[in-house]
This record gives sequence, C-alpha cells and structure tokens, in this order.
Amino acid sequence: GAVVSQHPSRVICKSGTSVKIECRSLDFQATTMFWYRQFPKKSLMLMATSNEGSKATYEQGVEKDKFLINHASLTLSTLTVTSAHPEDSSFYICSATPGRSYEQYFGPGTRLTVT
Amino acid sequence: GESVGLHLPTLSVQEGDNSIINCAYSNSASDYFIWYKQESGKGPQFIIDIRSNMDKRQGQRVTVLLNKTVKHLSLQIAATQPGDSAVYFCAEASGNTPLVFGKGTRLSVIA
Repeated sequence: GAVVSQHPSRVICKSGTSVKIECRSLDFQATTMFWYRQFPKKSLMLMATSNEGSKATYEQGVEKDKFLINHASLTLSTLTVTSAHPEDSSFYICSATPGRSYEQYFGPGTRLTVT
Repeated sequence: GESVGLHLPTLSVQEGDNSIINCAYSNSASDYFIWYKQESGKGPQFIIDIRSNMDKRQGQRVTVLLNKTVKHLSLQIAATQPGDSAVYFCAEASGNTPLVFGKGTRLSVIA
C-alpha cells in the first residue's frame, strides 16, 4: 500500500514552454502533498506544501508564479513549471501524506530537462 | 536556520561488512526521525524511523540509534549487500512541520 506515482517520469521541453507534472496517491487519500526539487548529488529541497482545496504554501525563494501547484483532489496534485528555462532542469519529486507530515510516501520523481 | 547534516558524504564498505551512516541534527525540538534510501533516478524509499522518546529501533538488517544528548542519529546496516548501494538521507520532523532532509551519504558496496 501507500503508493505514489508521478507522470511523466522524464520530460524534455524547450525554453519558454510550460510543463505539467502530475502526482497521484494511488491507494490512499492525501490530505497534504509536498513538492521537492533535487539537484545532482544534492539533498531534497522542499518547494511547496499543498493541501487539497487550498492554496499551496511555498518555501522562501520559490516563485509561486513560476511553479504553479494545484491540488484539486485528495489523490492528485500538479506542478506546472511555467516559461521553463534551462536552469529549471532538475529532478522533481512529490510526496503525499494521509495525515501527519512525517508520514510521507514519495513518488518516483520526474526528470525535467529544458533545452 | 535549523538544519540536518551528515558527517560522511561517502562511505565504501566491503560486501558482508556492517555499515554505519551518521547524521547530526540541530533542532532539539524534533520529535521524529526517519532514514530514507534513494537509488539513482528514483524517489526516496522509507527505511526506518524512530521517535524522540526512543534511543534504538531495529528493523530487518537495519538499526537506528538516536542520541538526543549530542543530537546524533545513525543508521546501521548489517551484512551490507550490493543492493544496499544508494544515497541515504536522514530527515527530521517537529510536530506537523514538513520534513527537513540532511545532505545525504552515498554508500558504495564493494563486492
């Protein structure tokens, strides 16, 4: 149980375009989902916390207009990277929790490459 | 601000030996600690957790030790196998705040 999926697993896009990444909890309802960014050989950096039906809470330094998060249902959250640039290239990972923030189940990640 | 860090960024061990991965944390209010394993190109995988009211917890081939006096957390892997090769992260939580991840240690198992 407690499976989280992400789609797509890999995406390549051109500069200036927008890319949407989906995060789904497959067998539980996620009251909260988290979006992380990970650079090569680095740790996970929390970007934002999203609760179903409300606006996401962004971490300091993360542009909310750049990284749009929508948590429309208890099993789906989306991250849209708008007007992507090469520096947005990274590994994006989501996690979901059915309750407490420390009980997080992670998705497999999405590798974004912006050319 | 508060942070979680690691003493050793890389660790190489012989297959069959025991591995010890260390983590220092700075938030004395943290009440929950977790170890994750991350293989290349994948998301973190839960290994074991421990609450602040415990000092040791054992799982299958893994043991987590918590020393609150010196704010130190360790992960011990017994009889390390090639499949254990990965990056290991510790994470801490306080109340219902988001997890704070450490920098990670890469474990390489030499066959």
